[in-house]
Amino acid sequence: AQRVTQPEKLLSVFKGAPVELKCNYSYSGSPELFWYVQYSRQRLQLLLRHISRESIKGFTADLNKGETSFHLKKPFAQEEDSAMYYCALSVQYRWGGSEKLVFGKGTKLTVNP
Amino acid sequence: DGGITQSPKYLFRKEGQNVTLSCEQNLNHDAMYWYRQDPGQGLRLIYYSQIVNDFQKGDIAEGYSVSREKKESFPLTVTSAQKNPTAFYLCASSPGFRESSGANVLTFGAGSRLTVL
Repeated sequence: AQRVTQPEKLLSVFKGAPVELKCNYSYSGSPELFWYVQYSRQRLQLLLRHISRESIKGFTADLNKGETSFHLKKPFAQEEDSAMYYCALSVQYRWGGSEKLVFGKGTKLTVNP
Repeated sequence: DGGITQSPKYLFRKEGQNVTLSCEQNLNHDAMYWYRQDPGQGLRLIYYSQIVNDFQKGDIAEGYSVSREKKESFPLTVTSAQKNPTAFYLCASSPGFRESSGANVLTFGAGSRLTVL
């Protein structure tokens, strides 16, 4: 069965420190992974997806199939990064189309001044 | 202004009553989803629909029902059979499996908070 695990419910760092939010997945198919973010009083929104290989707001995430991980990293955290972060896995139909997204339980990141 | 509109924002229900949450999108997306968000539980999928007049159960469909009679609308009914309905409900949509790019990039609504009294 497909599963996304985010081992940390809460993560607290100081401004300027590096931050890493962990995500591990279990999936028998070819994984497609995402990070979604929910800032206070805002809608849940896409942060980045692994196939884009982008850096968004200084965040990057690399898919490691050997370790079945998709950790989110930022070298220097900012106070405005404080938010709830969700890792998500796209579950595919057998013929390759996307069926649905399965989310982890989320990590609440707090960046202290 | 394209997006997803959920209503009502807050809803109170007495035990034993059914209640329907509205979700409308004007993004011309094929796929729509209902998630339930509880503290410490993340987002759990209730129902989803990849196309009009078709929908599938998600991981926690018991006590819920949906319909997809129109492309832009995907209402969720929380029935009296749902044992713990107090929660925050999120509706989302995506272009759908027929899109080669961004098929599964979800756009979310603002949510509806249901409280059972």
